[in-house]
Amino acid sequence: EAGVAQSPRYKIIEKRQSVAFWCNPISGHATLYWYQQILGQGPKLLIQFQNNGVVDDSQLPKDRFSAERLKGVDSTLKIQPAKLEDSAVYLCASSPSAGLSYNEQFFGPGTRLTVL
Amino acid sequence: EDKVVQSPLSLVVHEGDTVTLNCSYEVTNFRSLLWYKQGKKAPTFLFMLTSSGIEKKSGRLSSILDKKELFSILNITATQTGDSAVYLCAGTVYNQGGKLIFGQGTELSVKP
Repeated sequence: EAGVAQSPRYKIIEKRQSVAFWCNPISGHATLYWYQQILGQGPKLLIQFQNNGVVDDSQLPKDRFSAERLKGVDSTLKIQPAKLEDSAVYLCASSPSAGLSYNEQFFGPGTRLTVL
Repeated sequence: EDKVVQSPLSLVVHEGDTVTLNCSYEVTNFRSLLWYKQGKKAPTFLFMLTSSGIEKKSGRLSSILDKKELFSILNITATQTGDSAVYLCAGTVYNQGGKLIFGQGTELSVKP
């Protein structure tokens, strides 16, 4: 079974530039998550999708971050404009859950973003 | 605000040692606690604990949950260099789907 795919793996940009990350979950997984992991910290949930609908985006900085999952499969996370404090690893995860109960989340390799 | 705190933040041991990693939580409507291992890449799932006092084991790793004292421990016996990683614990909440509330992680380094 193919895992969660993410691209790019690394990205370096200057502050105030824009950047986009892509995630393709495991086939058939209904739920998709984006996490931000700052160096030395645990991952923090940014947004959770159930199929193509948003379940939780309470910790997404909506003034600069946006995410979509238009066809309920792959997803894009965008930052516009980037700030220095956005430097982090952005992890995408998926799970098969179609309801509200917990199912194991499978993580992708992450995108390491450096903002200069 | 819900929080998960891990200790120690880092640990250096030698091969063959036994280590205990700690995770305490303050999570409203707590459902379960999960342990993940994060090497150089993505976190990989180790255990999910929902019941107090029932130990889960996988090879040299074991974990237990205490819902009265609000903590969990992860034990690794006969450590190997391949156990070097960041170990993350995370809480889940009833009626919030799959949302994971992570601790900051414990960085374990196993020296030959």
